[in-house]
Amino acid sequence: SQTIHQWPATLVQPVGSPLSLECTVEGTSNPNLYWYRQAAGRGLQLLFYSVGIGQISSEVPQNLSASRPQDRQFILSSKKLLLSDSGFYLCAWGVGNNSPLHFGNGTRLTVT
Amino acid sequence: AQSVTQLGSHVSVSEGALVLLRCNYSSSVPPYLFWYVQYPNQGLQLLLKYTSAATLVKGINGFEAEFKKSETSFHLTKPSAHMSDAAEYFCAVINFGNEKLTFGTGTRLTIIP
Repeated sequence: SQTIHQWPATLVQPVGSPLSLECTVEGTSNPNLYWYRQAAGRGLQLLFYSVGIGQISSEVPQNLSASRPQDRQFILSSKKLLLSDSGFYLCAWGVGNNSPLHFGNGTRLTVT
Repeated sequence: AQSVTQLGSHVSVSEGALVLLRCNYSSSVPPYLFWYVQYPNQGLQLLLKYTSAATLVKGINGFEAEFKKSETSFHLTKPSAHMSDAAEYFCAVINFGNEKLTFGTGTRLTIIP
């Protein structure tokens, strides 16, 4: 069966520090991969999605970036965190068009 | 682009009472619609999905939703609330052709003992 792993579960980082969140999927090939951010009271905002290795689409211009170095690995990065980057980050995967997404357990990021 | 609107950011029901969470969609073509549940500090779990087959969709944990084209709605219901149903619920719509899922702003469900 397919599983998705996301880590770390929680992270506290100072303003201006770098960020690297990792997500991996097992049990499927060539999944579509997604990063969402959930801020308090604001629902889920799609940040990036990828339909293949090295293919990244950005939804919201900001100081975050994403990379997909391997088929089932998706990384969210920042060179310098801002206070506004605090939130709950969720990785998800899906297969094909019009299919539901399956989510990881999320990373709670607090920028201080 | 397709979108969904969830009416009511907070809903409280008594244990054993009917749960009704509202979702209206905006789409020029028949959409694919989903309901997800999120427990505190966890990811989202798929409850059910509508993909243009039967209009009444049954999901996990006793939840179901009915697609009503005339009302552009996809409300989530459960006949009898349990304490374990307390969570946040998200309605979502797929955007055809670009594999992107757009979520509503969520409804937090509280169960009163």
